[in-house]
Amino acid sequence: EIVLTQSPDFQSVTPKEKVTITCRASQSIGSSLHWYQQKPDQSPKLLIKYASQSISGVPSRFSGSGSGTDFTLTINSLEAEDAATYYCHQSRAFGQGTKVEIK
Amino acid sequence: EVQLVESGGGLVQPGGSLRLSCAASGFTFSSYAMSWVRQAPGKGLEWVSAISGSGGSTYYADSVKGRFTISRDNSKNTLYLQMNSLRAEDTAVYYCAKVGFPGAWELPLDYWGQGTLVTVSS
Repeated sequence: EIVLTQSPDFQSVTPKEKVTITCRASQSIGSSLHWYQQKPDQSPKLLIKYASQSISGVPSRFSGSGSGTDFTLTINSLEAEDAATYYCHQSRAFGQGTKVEIK
Repeated sequence: EVQLVESGGGLVQPGGSLRLSCAASGFTFSSYAMSWVRQAPGKGLEWVSAISGSGGSTYYADSVKGRFTISRDNSKNTLYLQMNSLRAEDTAVYYCAKVGFPGAWELPLDYWGQGTLVTVSS
């Protein structure tokens, strides 16, 4: 059973700052790692698929990288609308989530 | 436009049963595997179950295996989750979600419904 561990659990960031969220898998998963954004009282939204592939309609400030066991979601120049919880996902597993708050 | 609309949630006593439905539109339903994902109040996402496009293959989290049954009716473009022997820890918002392209179920989930709340309490 694959376990995904995200860090940090919480991040308070000022607008225009860069945000980095990491996701570590308990065993190698190649590039089969996806990222979602969930805003309060909304359903999750797919942000990045297969570690680094962009999704149509998602702002270009969101990017992903990594392979094997270590993955990163980067938000360049954070905007107020990016306040949300971010989850990584692979098959049956989700990370515990990283809440991003705007200072 | 892809739409997924869940229904069937509500308050049920421990040990009781409930059937959730997810009405799909805007895509060729039978071509895509589907999943159920839940979220307990104030908690993270938990994958619950998945089913292949034909309905011939099903998959479950250990936490619900033997109690929940996923199924689909491709003639009605509807996904189901039959939940039996419900426990307090099953209390959550249940989302149905579509995989990103035809084929396997272990794919990114590109569309999600709005969710339906299941509360298990006496």
